[in-house]
This record gives sequence, C-alpha cells and structure tokens, in this order.
Amino acid sequence: AQKVTQAQTEISVVEKEDVTLDCVYETRDTTYYLFWYKQPPSGELVFLIRRNSFDEQNEISGRYSWNFQKSTSSFNFTITASQVVDSAVYFCALSDTPNFGNEKLTFGTGTRLTIIP
Amino acid sequence: EPEVTQTPSHQVTQMGQEVILRCVPISNHLYFYWYRQILGQKVEFLVSFYNNEISEKSEIFDDQFSVERPDGSNFTLKIRSTKLEDSAMYFCASLGPGGNTGELFFGEGSRLTVL
Repeated sequence: AQKVTQAQTEISVVEKEDVTLDCVYETRDTTYYLFWYKQPPSGELVFLIRRNSFDEQNEISGRYSWNFQKSTSSFNFTITASQVVDSAVYFCALSDTPNFGNEKLTFGTGTRLTIIP
Repeated sequence: EPEVTQTPSHQVTQMGQEVILRCVPISNHLYFYWYRQILGQKVEFLVSFYNNEISEKSEIFDDQFSVERPDGSNFTLKIRSTKLEDSAMYFCASLGPGGNTGELFFGEGSRLTVL
C-alpha cells in the first residue's frame, strides 16, 4: 500500500527566510511518480512538480527546489527567500501507476505554510 | 491560461438528496478525475475516466457515486443519496494528451455540505 507522510502540520517563517517542507513516502513499486501541489487560500490545487522514480536529480525552479532521495524515501521541497504569496497548504503526493493517464494520486495530509511579513 | 471550471462552488443539501457536481475540463484534455477533500484532511482519489468509461475507482466510490460525460465538454459527478459523511470539497481534474509532465489541472472545487 502507498503512503505519504508530511510530518509538519504547520510551519511559520518570517519573510525572506528559507523553509523546507518534508515528505516521506512508502511504496512497494519500483516505478512511481512524486508530486507537489500548492493549495492557496482560494482553494484550488496548483501543480508544482512531478518526478519519476528513476530521476534522482535535484530540481530547481526559481525560488523552489526539490530534493529527491530514494535511499531515505524522501522528496523534500525548499522555498528560498520566502514571500507572503508562498503562504498556502502544500501537498506531497505519490502515484505508483506508471501508465500515463492513470494518475491515481495518494496525497499526504499537507503542510500549512504561513509566511509572516 | 486554460482552466478547469467547476459548478456549483458551494451546495448545501439534505441527507438523502441527489447531488450533481459539474466540471468543464480543459478542452483538449482526455483524462478526467474526481478527488475529494474532507475539511482539514488530505485529498483523496475517487475516480478516473477515459474514453467514456471509468479507468479506476477507489473504495470510496461506491454505488452511490457515478460519473458521466454527457456531452463533449462537461464531466459530472453524481451522488445518488447523500450522507453526512459526503460533506467535502470535491475537485475535478483533467490531464492533457501526450503531456510528459503528468500535470493534473485541478479546478477550484465544489464544496458540498450535507445536513
């Protein structure tokens, strides 16, 4: 069975600080995909990134970076120089369905990030 | 930017009533999904739909639930006889053809309150 654990329920940091959101996953499959989604106060889920299990390269996109480590089954998300607009709930998710289109995501419980101005 | 739209944004219903939640996926997308989020909890997969049939469904998606693509644009979720525990935010999502990112586009959700 798949499981995604986001142990940090809530995090608050002062603007411009860096913050890392942790994600630990469990799956028996060797092929799987990991995701991060952002849920701003408006409620929609906004896709941030998708990584497959064969690609452990870290990814950077502007102020966002992701660290994928299969050895520890972790896929952590770091926001550098945080801004108030980063305040949201962030969900990590896992899909062990390799077929495109069968994106059955298992979500973690989310981390509520508050950036204090 | 194209987006997934959902209606209604909020619906209040009495227990036992039928509810239909509507979604208009992005026009060239072929894969459709419903997820739900009980207040303050994690987002849960309900069902995926492709080529006019269900691809996969979760154990939550029992006989009270059904999905349909009645025309070329809408994708609906019907709950036949609502229960209190169906109160949640329901998210529709769609996925485009040939996209390597596997980026699901989610709508803003329909909040269902069952009294």
